[in-house]
Amino acid sequence: DAMVIQNPRYQVTQFGKPVTLSCSQTLNHNVMYWYQQKSSQAPKLLFHYYDKDFNNEADTPDNFQSRRPNTSFCFLDIRSPGLGDAAMYLCATSRDLVRQGTEQYFGPGTRLTVT
Amino acid sequence: AQSVTQPDIHITVSEGASLELRCNYSYGATPYLFWYVQSPGQGLQLLLKYFSGDTLVQGIKGFEAEFKRSQSSFNLRKPSVHWSDAAEYFCAVGAVYGGSQGNLIFGKGTKLSVKP
Repeated sequence: DAMVIQNPRYQVTQFGKPVTLSCSQTLNHNVMYWYQQKSSQAPKLLFHYYDKDFNNEADTPDNFQSRRPNTSFCFLDIRSPGLGDAAMYLCATSRDLVRQGTEQYFGPGTRLTVT
Repeated sequence: AQSVTQPDIHITVSEGASLELRCNYSYGATPYLFWYVQSPGQGLQLLLKYFSGDTLVQGIKGFEAEFKRSQSSFNLRKPSVHWSDAAEYFCAVGAVYGGSQGNLIFGKGTKLSVKP
């Protein structure tokens, strides 16, 4: 039944060691998003893919990259994690962009700890 | 710029009591509005959404919300709260113009505690 799946649920990495978070979806949605949510804060959009088109938010650090090899999968790469990157990372999908009047479906998130 | 304000950071209600969580938005036209709920350590679950039409929207888990254009509000209500409703609630507006047209702009959230 799971529609948006994130692996792993918990990830521990060392300061400066590259890490990859994974998201997959069974909804066949066109759009996939990555959000960063720090403790007691609102989710903040990092970037999204509309099909194969990548859209980066203006204030997303270069340290964060993403790949979408096919419709179902999307990856978040953090090239050199810093202590400030410790957060919950949420993946979401939608059939179309919000401006077209569609909602986003969220995965359970990956909690990243940086030691 | 579009923005969302949730004035209450933390609300505590007794089980069985009614609930209203406030949300105000800033937007130049009819917005797309959403309420999401997040349990600790979990992702966000959509409770309800407003795109157009009837201003009173019914959602899951017995929640409803009313869009009031004159007050730029989209408050979430539930007539009788259950202990399992304890969670964080986020109001969001859909970005429909500007560079970030894929974006949901979230409020800072309201944490709901339920007393037995």
